[in-house]
Amino acid sequence: DIQMTQSPSTLSASVGDRVTITCRASQSINNWLAWYQQKPGKAPKLLIHKASSLGSGVPSRFSGSGSGTDFTLTISSLQPDDFATYYCQQYHSRTFGQGTKVEIK
Amino acid sequence: QVKLVQSGAEVEKPGASVQVSCKAFGYTFIGHYIHWVRQAPGQGLEWMGWINPNSGVTHYAQKFQEGWVTMTRDTSINTAYMTLNRPTSDDTAVYYCARSHELDPDAFDIWGQGTMVTVYS
Repeated sequence: DIQMTQSPSTLSASVGDRVTITCRASQSINNWLAWYQQKPGKAPKLLIHKASSLGSGVPSRFSGSGSGTDFTLTISSLQPDDFATYYCQQYHSRTFGQGTKVEIK
Repeated sequence: QVKLVQSGAEVEKPGASVQVSCKAFGYTFIGHYIHWVRQAPGQGLEWMGWINPNSGVTHYAQKFQEGWVTMTRDTSINTAYMTLNRPTSDDTAVYYCARSHELDPDAFDIWGQGTMVTVYS
């Protein structure tokens, strides 16, 4: 199975900060990767698919990049609504990363 | 409105089957795979498998094979089902159904609200 390693596991940031979350695959997955946002008690929400395609209705401050084994989710200017947990997921065996919690600094 | 609506919370004893339903609204049910994902309390997301509502063909993550989990559907009522056949306390989790993306079938663009399943003796 392809393993996904996210970092950091927790991130403290302030409103307006540029935030970057990384996800590394144990082997090449081309661009077969999605990013999800999850808030407490809620279902995940698709942010990015195919590594860099923005999901429907997702604000443009979210962006994804990478291919092969290394991927990045960037929030260009953190907003109050963005404090949540973020997961990457690879398409091959659909394994999720362990999650990155973005907290208020 | 495109949405998936899941059945309510379940509390069950170990070994008794538990079934969760997922009803689709606002789109052609047979046109999108349905995936199941679970999340144990305080833990991350775990993909379980998918069902093709058109054909009924299923594919399970290796951990959920060998009859432990069964995914079915009823196209007459646009509903998918996930059954835990021999649950233990380790299966206590929120279970989500999710639809495959309109243009990218391996991503999940619509999610159900989640169903809490508690297994205890």
